[in-house]
Amino acid sequence: QKEVEQNSGPLSVPEGAIASLNCTYSDRGSQSFFWYRQYSGKSPELIMSIYSNGDKEDGRFTAQLNKASQYVSLLIRDSQPSDSATYLCAVIRGGGSYIPTFGRGTSLIVHP
Amino acid sequence: KAGVTQTPRYLIKTRGQQVTLSCSPISGHRSVSWYQQTPGQGLQFLFEYFSETQRNKGNFPGRFSGRQFSNSRSEMNVSTLELGDSALYLCASSAGTAGTDTQYFGPGTRLTVL
Repeated sequence: QKEVEQNSGPLSVPEGAIASLNCTYSDRGSQSFFWYRQYSGKSPELIMSIYSNGDKEDGRFTAQLNKASQYVSLLIRDSQPSDSATYLCAVIRGGGSYIPTFGRGTSLIVHP
Repeated sequence: KAGVTQTPRYLIKTRGQQVTLSCSPISGHRSVSWYQQTPGQGLQFLFEYFSETQRNKGNFPGRFSGRQFSNSRSEMNVSTLELGDSALYLCASSAGTAGTDTQYFGPGTRLTVL
C-alpha cells in the first residue's frame, strides 16, 4: 500500500484561479514535508517545505500541514499557464533517518 | 554556480548486463542522493551518500549499489540488469542533511533495458 497518496488528476483550473493540491500520508511519525514541481521531461524542483502544523506562504504558494489529519496541501494563487506541471508530495519520517517517500504526483493544467 | 550533472544522459543495455551512472553534485555540496523514477512506481529513493559514507538506503535489491568519492562525485551501479530496471535515474545534491537542506536534482539518466 502506497504510503503517500495524491490524486493523479489532471486538475484543470483557469488562469488566475486558485489551484488546490492535496496529499495524505499514512505514517504518523512523519516530520518533514515537501512539494516538488516537475515539468514534463524535466527534473523535480523543490518549491515548498513545511515542518510544523499550519500554513507557510512563499509568494503565490501556500503549503498547509495538518498532522492530526495526516494531510498536507499546496495552494497556488493566481495560477498561470507556466504552473502547468506535475506536483509531487514527499514525506520524511525523520528521527535521524532520511528516506523520503514520494506520492505519484498530481498533474495540474492551467488553461488561459 | 554549475548545477548537478549526470552522465550519460541516455543508455541502452540488455538484460544481464551491468551499468554505471555518474553524478557530479553542485560545488560544495556533500550529500548526493539517488532516485529511480518510473511511470508505474513514481519517484523512489535508492540511497544517499554523505562524505563518502552511505547514510540512508531505500528498499531496493542489492543489485543496486553506489559509492561516493572524496570530491563528492557519486556513481551508481546496477548489476544483472532486468527489464524492470528501465527508468529515469535521478541524482540530487544538497549542502548538508538531505532531510532539511534543499535538494537540487540533475537532469537524469534515461536507462532502457532490452
